Amino acid sequence: QSVLTQPPSVSGAPGQRVTISCTGTSSNIGAGYDVHWYQHLPGTAPKLLIYGNNNRPSGVPDRFSGSKSGTSASLAITGLQPEDEADFYCQSFDSSLSGWVFGGGTKVTVL
Amino acid sequence: EVQLVESGGGLVQPGGSLRLSCAASGFIFSGYAMSWVRQAPGKGLEWVSGISDTGAGTYYQDSVKGRFTISRDKSKSTLYLQLNSLTAEDTAVYYCAKAQGHPTAAYYFDFWGQGTLVTVSS
Repeated sequence: QSVLTQPPSVSGAPGQRVTISCTGTSSNIGAGYDVHWYQHLPGTAPKLLIYGNNNRPSGVPDRFSGSKSGTSASLAITGLQPEDEADFYCQSFDSSLSGWVFGGGTKVTVL
Repeated sequence: EVQLVESGGGLVQPGGSLRLSCAASGFIFSGYAMSWVRQAPGKGLEWVSGISDTGAGTYYQDSVKGRFTISRDKSKSTLYLQLNSLTAEDTAVYYCAKAQGHPTAAYYFDFWGQGTLVTVSS
């Protein structure tokens, strides 16, 4: 059971918009700690997608955006493309655990 | 170009030990905190351990405290993870990751290695 809760899967047709939620508690997201997002293809190195809730590293398309409110955060992918098929993870810090925590991951499928 | 190359994984019996290494290049190694993150078969990413830029601060997930030891060698630009008293639950791909952000609690991982597989089985 992950500290941060994500839906196991989401899907959408090419060109559509999908969102992935990341729900935490008062000891992590709700405590004000930043949320970050990663894209991971099996067998490869995870890739940083969003940092500091809503910032994109250089080279990440603006189709990806992040937001945070209260004890939750979201990743939105607009204009879904076949190459977006991957696992996506949120990450934050938890003061009760005194460590960094990940969500359970969400598999994005492009129909 | 930032590169992180892990090595040292393999098959080990329950109760055994292993030392993982992560060779870093393309950035000033001594200027950044580093972490180890693992992924068990069919599971998600799990933060395991972290170390400050100077090595003075070390952090561990509860399930590995007392069994794993993180360290770094500035002269070799290499990160290590000593794994002791291994159990089947430690079977995973272990990734090293470069940390970014301030303060410590705001850390995120901007570069990752390809991972090294640790299999604990008799």
